Amino acid sequence: EAGVTQFPSHSVIEKGQTVTLRCDPISGHDNLYWYRRVMGKEIKFLLHFVKESKQDESGMPNNRFLAERTGGTYSTLKVQPAELEDSGVYFCASSQERGLSNEQFFGPGTRLTVL
Amino acid sequence: AQSVTQLDSQVPVFEEAPVELRCNYSSSVSVYLFWYVQYPNQGLQLLLKYLSGSTLVESINGFEAEFNKSQTSFHLRKPSVHISDTAEYFCAVSQKTSYDKVIFGPGTSLSVIP
Repeated sequence: EAGVTQFPSHSVIEKGQTVTLRCDPISGHDNLYWYRRVMGKEIKFLLHFVKESKQDESGMPNNRFLAERTGGTYSTLKVQPAELEDSGVYFCASSQERGLSNEQFFGPGTRLTVL
Repeated sequence: AQSVTQLDSQVPVFEEAPVELRCNYSSSVSVYLFWYVQYPNQGLQLLLKYLSGSTLVESINGFEAEFNKSQTSFHLRKPSVHISDTAEYFCAVSQKTSYDKVIFGPGTSLSVIP
C-alpha cells in the first residue's frame, strides 16, 4: 500500500511568487492534515480536511494560504504571494475515519525556500 | 488546549550506551501520546504510541516509552543505541475525543557517537 506522497520534494521560489504544494493521502483515508515546520521552530498544525470539507483551519497563518481538497482525494496548498517567513518544511498527513486512534501517517514533506 | 515540552533539544550519546529522551505534556482532556522520528533527509515516522491499557509501550527497534499520568510524562528510552538511531525525535499528543490535530513538542536531536 502506498503511503502519503507529497510533491514537490523541494521548491525554491522568490518572494512574491506563487507556489502550490500537493499531497496525496493514503487511499481511503478521509482525514487529511497539513502541518509545517519553519526553521528552528516546532511542527505546527495548519488545517484538517474531512473528505472535501475543512474541519479545522485554525492553524492557517493568514489569507495568503489557500488549501483545497476537491473530490476528497488529493489536496493542494497554495501560497500566494510567498514571503520569506513561509520558508520551511510542509508536511501532509492522513488518517482513517474509523481507526482505533488518531494515528496519522505523514508524508516526506515539501521543503519550501523563499528567497 | 494541549502542549508538549521536550526539555533536551540535543542529546549526544555514545554508541551502545543507554538513552532517555524526556517528554512532558499538559492537557485538560484525555490524550493519545506518540513519539515520531525523523531520520536525516526523510519524513516523519511513527515510532510508538500510547492509546490505553499498559503504560509501557515498545517499538520494533528497541525503544520503549512509559506513560506516567501523575507526572504527565511520556519519556522515551533505549538501553543501547546504535549509529542508525541518529535522528530527531518528536513527542506528540492528540485529543482522544475526536480525530484532532497532533500537537508536537519542539523535538530532540539524538546524535549517536561512534
